[in-house]
Amino acid sequence: DQQVKQNSPSLSVQEGRISILNCDYTNSMFDYFLWYKKYPAEGPTFLISISSIKDKNEDGRFTVFLNKSAKHLSLHIVPSQPGDSAVYFCASSYGGSQGNLIFGKGTKLSVKP
Amino acid sequence: GAGVSQSPSNKVTEKGKDVELRCDPISGHTALYWYRQSLGQGLEFLIYFQGNSAPDKSGLPSDRFSAERTGGSVSTLTIQRTQQEDSAVYLCASSPGYYQPQHFGDGTRLSIL
Repeated sequence: DQQVKQNSPSLSVQEGRISILNCDYTNSMFDYFLWYKKYPAEGPTFLISISSIKDKNEDGRFTVFLNKSAKHLSLHIVPSQPGDSAVYFCASSYGGSQGNLIFGKGTKLSVKP
Repeated sequence: GAGVSQSPSNKVTEKGKDVELRCDPISGHTALYWYRQSLGQGLEFLIYFQGNSAPDKSGLPSDRFSAERTGGSVSTLTIQRTQQEDSAVYLCASSPGYYQPQHFGDGTRLSIL
């Protein structure tokens, strides 16, 4: 039973446009959410996080939105750049799991020049 | 370097052999995690160390898997009597503590023949 779901295995976007990556979760106890970017043969790189007391967090071109009632979060990248092409993982945690992360299966983003 | 360091980067071994994977976390990070990523899957939590507390072993798939963390720093993940289903990328992460982003190493790609 997947607690964190990324339903789109891939997404293709034109350079300069907005990329929107989506993530759904089932456990209402989750209170900390993160996005990671992963290139082949490298470990995941932390991008941005949000706690459940907020509904939006912004860092440069990256914004994460959290909708607790819908158990949904999204990552917006504006403007998208070819270097953003990678696999993006959504992850969640809650105090009861002592901080270990539960990951989605990832969405492969391709940004075309 | 200042990042999480894992060794070896690649390991090929025969079924039934024991393997040891090493992780050097970021200096000062009290929390250390092991995950694995099988082909086409998201990251799966294995074990978590926090300071001097007893580790959270709830993600270990069988008693063939064990891990230790010496002196609150370096960690070793040991897999005994390896099986082909153990083939995966094993990732280590560290963080400064609760609800802080985890920073990953580049992983060890383990292949069991």
